[in-house]
Amino acid sequence: SQTIHQWPATLVQPVGSPLSLECTVEGTSNPNLYWYRQAAGRGLQLLFYSVGIGQISSEVPQNLSASRPQDRQFILSSKKLLLSDSGFYLCAWTPGGKQRTEAFFGQGTRLTVV
Amino acid sequence: AQTVTQSQPEMSVQEAETVTLSCTYDTSESDYYLFWYKQPPSRQMILVIRQEAYKQQNATENRFSVNFQKAAKSFSLKISDSQLGDAAMYFCAYRRGKLVFGAGTILRVKS
Repeated sequence: SQTIHQWPATLVQPVGSPLSLECTVEGTSNPNLYWYRQAAGRGLQLLFYSVGIGQISSEVPQNLSASRPQDRQFILSSKKLLLSDSGFYLCAWTPGGKQRTEAFFGQGTRLTVV
Repeated sequence: AQTVTQSQPEMSVQEAETVTLSCTYDTSESDYYLFWYKQPPSRQMILVIRQEAYKQQNATENRFSVNFQKAAKSFSLKISDSQLGDAAMYFCAYRRGKLVFGAGTILRVKS
């Protein structure tokens, strides 16, 4: 069966420090991968979307970047965190090319920038 | 770009009553998929129901049903016989390629 791993679960980082959040998917190949951010009590904002290795679409101009070094690995990064980067980050995947299937989500990372 | 709008930030319903959550979307495509997700306080994302745009019949899953109006680009969720465990944030989502979410509606269930 397919599983998705996202870590860490919580993170407290000082302003100006770097960030690296990692997400991996098991049990499938060629997934579509997503990074979302959710501010407190707010909706899910799509940050990055990837349909394959090295193919990443940035949805919102921001202080963050994403990379997909392997088929089932998706990394969210920042060189210098801002206070506004605080939030709940969710990684998700959908089967490539199968539009009907819903997205499967990781457990999320709660990031607090202090 | 596709957008999804949920105009109700919060809704309340009495236990055992029925509530409807609204969702509209904007797209120029004719073939796409729509979803409702539930996010309880644990923040886990749980699929509630899905609808294929090419199907005229509204999807149902036990106490959950949708009213899909393709021409109006409307996709509302009806929860019947509301239970305390239904209290959560509900997200409407659109997918053709990438998956885009609305801002969410917080549903409170009163006992």
